[in-house]
Amino acid sequence: EAGVTQSPTHLIKTRGQQATLRCSPISGHTSVYWYQQALGLGLQFLLWYDEGEERNRGNFPPRFSGRQFPNYSSELNVNALELEDSALYLCASSLRGGSTEAFFGQGTRLTVV
Amino acid sequence: GENVGLHLPTLSVQEGDNSIINCAYSNSASDYFIWYKQESGKGPQFIIDIRSNMDKRQGQRVTVLLNKTVKHLSLQIAATQPGDSAVYFCAENPSPRGNKLVFGAGTILRVKS
Repeated sequence: EAGVTQSPTHLIKTRGQQATLRCSPISGHTSVYWYQQALGLGLQFLLWYDEGEERNRGNFPPRFSGRQFPNYSSELNVNALELEDSALYLCASSLRGGSTEAFFGQGTRLTVV
Repeated sequence: GENVGLHLPTLSVQEGDNSIINCAYSNSASDYFIWYKQESGKGPQFIIDIRSNMDKRQGQRVTVLLNKTVKHLSLQIAATQPGDSAVYFCAENPSPRGNKLVFGAGTILRVKS
């Protein structure tokens, strides 16, 4: 069974551009989470989607946005990129709602130059 | 983001010794906790979880202890091996209905041979 897959694995953008990151959850999982992990730091919660809707959002500016598609895959969009946005962006999926374990993808390394 | 940026603490242990990694969580209403292991260049990998109605849970070579009185979680690794070298994160789910895992800052475990 395939795990959580993310694409691309690496992304290089210049300041001011937009980045789009993609995530495919484990089959049967309806919840998708996005986390930002800056180099050497912990994971910070960005967004949670379930059943196509945004359910919760972390303390990030509005230029961080996303969506979940009918097949439960998800996109994370980051507009007006800043140098500080350089980080590993991790996607996780889980069964819908409740307290269940979340499985992570390998992440997308975003570098803003 | 939600967490203040911090350099991760490091625990160095000798191969074969037991390791204990500690984590303080913030929300007394959290009902579910997970430990993740993250190796260099990879996404976090689920190790073990525990629900708030338990105070101890054992897996293969790992034990998680939960002390709700002081909001403390620990991960014990028996007979630590070089392959255990990684960053370890605890995560809590503070929302009973939804799933918004909040991660601790992480601890680097270095195993000396």
